[in-house]
Amino acid sequence: IAGITQAPTSQILAAGRRMTLRCTQDMRHNAMYWYRQDLGLGLRLIHYSNTAGTTGKGEVPDGYSVSRANTDDFPLTLASAVPSQTSVYFCASSASSGANVLTFGAGSRLTVL
Amino acid sequence: GQNIDQPTEMTATEGAIVQINCTYQTSGFNGLFWYQQHAGEAPTFLSYNVLDGLEEKGRFSSFLSRSKGYSYLLLKELQMKDSASYLCAVMDSNYQLIWGAGTKLIIKP
Repeated sequence: IAGITQAPTSQILAAGRRMTLRCTQDMRHNAMYWYRQDLGLGLRLIHYSNTAGTTGKGEVPDGYSVSRANTDDFPLTLASAVPSQTSVYFCASSASSGANVLTFGAGSRLTVL
Repeated sequence: GQNIDQPTEMTATEGAIVQINCTYQTSGFNGLFWYQQHAGEAPTFLSYNVLDGLEEKGRFSSFLSRSKGYSYLLLKELQMKDSASYLCAVMDSNYQLIWGAGTKLIIKP
């Protein structure tokens, strides 16, 4: 089934630990995005990639890093997790950057204690 | 700053019609999107407006007025499965999406 796969679905993590959220798409989309969703707030962009080999910072990039070694994979790493990073994280992709429809993964619920 | 406003929560009756409003103030405009998000699930695309007017797609319609910075999503013949959050998002002049906090729609029998 074409789409986006995120892993893990849910994770509880101790503060200070390193964590990588995985995201893989099989639609050959050029652009990929990481968002966080918190209660009462709109989706906030963490990092994005317009094409393989390039990445950019979104609205809330601090404490997060990404890489885009190939078209399909776009992992998000928390180098040293803090409780304020407790959130639901969504990976998304679109055919290209610009006014394109986003396809979202199912989300990864992360709790940092 | 850039801002998207939509009601936090709305309640409607099965079979009825509901209108969810969205007002925006952004740096430029390259289109407005509506997404549906069921609890615990990913957002899914509903509609895209870039020109003024009404776009109809089955039971769902979306309206845009760029001069007023205003859009609405109209849901007809409401069904219980329409209970979800509805997210309004505007693409600004840099092609960055600005998201509203979402409107939680509760459908009662």
